[in-house]
Amino acid sequence: NAGVTQTPKFQVLKTGQSMTLQCAQDMNHNSMYWYRQDPGMGLRLIYYSASEGTTDKGEVPNGYNVSRLNKREFSLRLESAAPSQTSVYFCASSEYESHTEAFFGQGTRLTVV
Amino acid sequence: GEDVEQSLFLSVREGDSSVINCTYTDSSSTYLYWYKQEPGAGLQLLTYIFSNMDMKQDQRLTVLLNKKDKHLSLRIADTQTGDSAIYFCAELMTTDSWGKLQFGAGTQVVVTP
Repeated sequence: NAGVTQTPKFQVLKTGQSMTLQCAQDMNHNSMYWYRQDPGMGLRLIYYSASEGTTDKGEVPNGYNVSRLNKREFSLRLESAAPSQTSVYFCASSEYESHTEAFFGQGTRLTVV
Repeated sequence: GEDVEQSLFLSVREGDSSVINCTYTDSSSTYLYWYKQEPGAGLQLLTYIFSNMDMKQDQRLTVLLNKKDKHLSLRIADTQTGDSAIYFCAELMTTDSWGKLQFGAGTQVVVTP
């Protein structure tokens, strides 16, 4: 049972490059989320999708876009990467938009140089 | 404010009890959570407590909630080396039908032999 799968696990980008982080869940969950984790700051919500077909901004959406491709998949795109986006990115999913019992992926460690 | 605060570090000897503390700010929080993050891994839900409870016990884990002081603690009995990890406290803040998880910065627990 895979749960929440993120790809890639590691990535190094040059400033200005673009990339898409992929996330898929096999639990038939309605809601999916993207967080970033920075030292000493806990996790901060970038974007979320309460249900298939909807996406909304979280706390720190600037510089990112998302696509809820279908119920399983929720991707995060950096159009023009900046060093401030160096972070560990986590995708999560939950059955309900109330966020109760969210399941997290393994994370993507992104470095922008 | 929306801050969830935790101490950053805890060192404990194997076999002793660990107590990790957390304070939160939103008195309307419905659920409070403890997540565990092992090195290089995603967050794993350990336990959660509903806001109308004072205590929840689950094997070696005991969660205490003091709603008056907005204080949450996690006690791990008979701490093992496998308990070395970062522990995140999180509160579920709800507006309308949407619930947002607000995380603390995490407490690094180091278990020494």
